[in-house]
Amino acid sequence: NAGVMQNPRHLVRRRGQEARLRCSPMKGHSHVYWYRQLPEEGLKFMVYLQKENIIDESGMPKERFSAEFPKEGPSILRIQQVVRGDSAAYFCASSGSGGTYEQYFGPGTRLTVT
Amino acid sequence: GENVEQHPSTLSVQEGDSAVIKCTYSDSASNYFPWYKQELGKRPQLIIDIRSNVGEKKDQRIAVTLNKTAKHFSLHITETQPEDSAVYFCAASKPGGSYIPTFGRGTSLIVHP
Repeated sequence: NAGVMQNPRHLVRRRGQEARLRCSPMKGHSHVYWYRQLPEEGLKFMVYLQKENIIDESGMPKERFSAEFPKEGPSILRIQQVVRGDSAAYFCASSGSGGTYEQYFGPGTRLTVT
Repeated sequence: GENVEQHPSTLSVQEGDSAVIKCTYSDSASNYFPWYKQELGKRPQLIIDIRSNVGEKKDQRIAVTLNKTAKHFSLHITETQPEDSAVYFCAASKPGGSYIPTFGRGTSLIVHP
């Protein structure tokens, strides 16, 4: 029973480059959430997606950040023209359909911008 | 929007003691309250949750209590062990088009052997 998968686990980018973070939800889950965690801080919601739909992106910066969850394949969080302030751990979580609340987290991607 | 306050930010106990972490929330419509444990460098893991139709839930050494009137809920860990050392996050969520929990800032629990 594979859990939530994220890759890469660690990503180093220079300022101005693009970062692509991938998340495969648990089998049978169709809801994906992305969170950002700064050192010694809590989890900040970024975006909530279902297959082919963005449900809520109220926590995502308006510029440089985008997310998708295509019909086939993983969900992708894309950060264009990264800046040092983007350095953080990015976690995705998935939950099942039918109104279940429980979220299961992936191992995270630690992005470092040099 | 929802606001979740969590206290204390750091909690240090001796092995075998009990630990209590408290959270308050602002939105009376919230009805689902999960707790997550995050070990250093690891993912947050759901350890227990409670819904608003119950006041208390227990799972071995871990219990959660909910007071809807006062809008606060607490995590209780009894007979703490060094492996309980981690950051614990509370969250509050409500029904609606998107089930997005609001997280507290976390409590760093240190259990000294």
